[in-house]
Amino acid sequence: ELQLVESGGGLVKPGGSLRLSCAASGFTFSSHGMHWIRQAPGKGLEWVSSIIGNSRYIYYADSVKGRFTISRDNAKNSLYLQMNSLRAEDTGVFYCARGVGRHFDQDGFDLWGQGALVTVSS
Amino acid sequence: SYVLTQPPSVSAAPGTTATITCGGHNIVTKTVNWYQQRPGQAPLMVISYDTDRPSGIPERFSGSNSGNTATLTISRVEAGDEADYYCHVWDSSSDQRVFGGGTKLTVL
Repeated sequence: ELQLVESGGGLVKPGGSLRLSCAASGFTFSSHGMHWIRQAPGKGLEWVSSIIGNSRYIYYADSVKGRFTISRDNAKNSLYLQMNSLRAEDTGVFYCARGVGRHFDQDGFDLWGQGALVTVSS
Repeated sequence: SYVLTQPPSVSAAPGTTATITCGGHNIVTKTVNWYQQRPGQAPLMVISYDTDRPSGIPERFSGSNSGNTATLTISRVEAGDEADYYCHVWDSSSDQRVFGGGTKLTVL
């Protein structure tokens, strides 16, 4: 079945760390760029980070650069997001998403997970 | 950084046409993607590469891109189309992906 399943969300104190995982199934994982997008409560979508299929190119939003690290393990069909120095404004639902697979940079996101809730609060 | 501007809300009666705009400087030079997000659900791509409809998306959904405005058009609006809609582009100058602020479509 074609799906993405996130895990690893939870409650963490400001300054703490959390690692999100995204398990992919039903498609050739290594052929697709993968992405993390977040949504603060009641707010719109915000792109967080992207990684190309062979991990050669990685990009981050300015708001998370230096604090978050995206990675993937194609042998395990898995995507990860290591989040350090978390802030209250990082609170929200984090979605992993698959790029269409035509052009890494221009691709839209054609498959989304159900999301993982991250709450940063003391 | 590149900014995408969407109207906060749009309304349409069932059976009519809803038009949702996404404004950005010279957006015609960029590839625009559109997503539908119903309450409590993950987003769903409805248009990619300006005009392409993913498998399973009704023909009632169409996209266009010209000048400084990209447009998502929903024909013969149905109650089930009520949702938030977001546009998205890749900004080559900053290597950042950008979302518009979202438009809430209300079906009257």
